[in-house]
Amino acid sequence: GESVGLHLPTLSVQEGDNSIINCAYSNSASDYFIWYKQESGKGPQFIIDIRSNMDKRQGQRVTVLLNKTVKHLSLQIAATQPGDSAVYFCAENSGYSTLTFGKGTMLLVSP
Amino acid sequence: GAVVSQHPSWVICKSGTSVKIECRSLDFQATTMFWYRQFPKQSLMLMATSNEGSKATYEQGVEKDKFLINHASLTLSTLTVTSAHPEDSSFYICSALIAGRTYNEQFFGPGTRLTVL
Repeated sequence: GESVGLHLPTLSVQEGDNSIINCAYSNSASDYFIWYKQESGKGPQFIIDIRSNMDKRQGQRVTVLLNKTVKHLSLQIAATQPGDSAVYFCAENSGYSTLTFGKGTMLLVSP
Repeated sequence: GAVVSQHPSWVICKSGTSVKIECRSLDFQATTMFWYRQFPKQSLMLMATSNEGSKATYEQGVEKDKFLINHASLTLSTLTVTSAHPEDSSFYICSALIAGRTYNEQFFGPGTRLTVL
């Protein structure tokens, strides 16, 4: 997983735009990936997951893309809404029970 | 389904005191629970893995004598911060693993904000 930084990268978008949040992972043995949304003062909330045998998975307004060649994960949010404003974390699982979290990206949606 | 609760949601204590945080799986049994710590504007860092009926496994750099974990039942794990100091102030989050799932899906609690004065 990524190292933890002291400052969160921020993505600012307008309401209605599509948002793309990126994540790099380091463990090529990871076989399960999850995107979480975390609102201020709350625990992480599951958004979508993807197994390593897939390269794309779609949910409601969200799509996750996995590129194992370059160890890259992205979360696409369609028609972003103010309620989507939060910090988004990717997490990887390498076969054991534990998850390794990326450093997170803050998404700010302006009306 | 798959709801995890934490108690308390926030706590303020004096330096040197001990604080216990509870993590409960409300509608499922969890043989494994995890404790994370999160500092402001940072990611979740795994502190320890708690297995029901056995000793917790601590991550490197986490003091097991300071952060006592007890997982006495399939629905409850507790984290006790002993002799808390201001640097222990943080957001503590637990998660629970549903037994028997093919992939390791964790369900997170709402977190506990600890402030040590």
